[in-house]
Amino acid sequence: DVKVTQSSRYLVKRTGEKVFLECVQDMDHENMFWYRQDPGLGLRLIYFSYDVKMKEKGDIPEGYSVSREKKERFSLILESTSTNQTSMYLCASSLSNSGQGKNQPQHFGDGTRLSIL
Amino acid sequence: GNSVTQMEGPVTLSEEAFLTINCTYTATGYPSLFWYVQYPGEGLQLLLKATKADDKGSNKGFEATYRKETTSFHLEKGSVQVSDSAVYFCALSDRPSSGGSYIPTFGRGTSLIVHP
Repeated sequence: DVKVTQSSRYLVKRTGEKVFLECVQDMDHENMFWYRQDPGLGLRLIYFSYDVKMKEKGDIPEGYSVSREKKERFSLILESTSTNQTSMYLCASSLSNSGQGKNQPQHFGDGTRLSIL
Repeated sequence: GNSVTQMEGPVTLSEEAFLTINCTYTATGYPSLFWYVQYPGEGLQLLLKATKADDKGSNKGFEATYRKETTSFHLEKGSVQVSDSAVYFCALSDRPSSGGSYIPTFGRGTSLIVHP
């Protein structure tokens, strides 16, 4: 089974701090994603990476950046946190499988609940 | 653009009741369709999928049929259990991105609460 591991389940930080959220997958997936999940809004895509060092902005990239130096690891960076970034953050990965890519499901980590005070 | 609309919850049922969670979609092409489930305190996990019209996905007693004519993918289960209490997300995959990959579009989720 694919395992997607997020480094922290809960984090509490203060406004203005720099925060790194780490995600590691163990199945050699090309694609990795960062979402935030808020009540009533569902999942919103922050950033997406389809290969090492390659990234693409999602629907809500403002205030975030990402890093993918190795295929298995995808980091979300909050350069200077604000209270409106309090949320549940979910990492996911999927196979690219050229030609069948749209049939590939995503595999999710258990999430990091981040609170900014 | 692509979109997924799910019925708003929460859906509250008694154990052994029949479940339907409606999902309709808008897509420009021919998407693959998915249902994911999120149990409390966990991430999403794939429940079932269908990749072309008239396909039926099934898993753990849940079923959904890809209806192209009505652009729907409703989730059903004949007899729910307390352990089915979770949030259910409908999703489609039809948004190509760089690198030849696809970015899914999710519905907002429907919470299911099953009472003993």
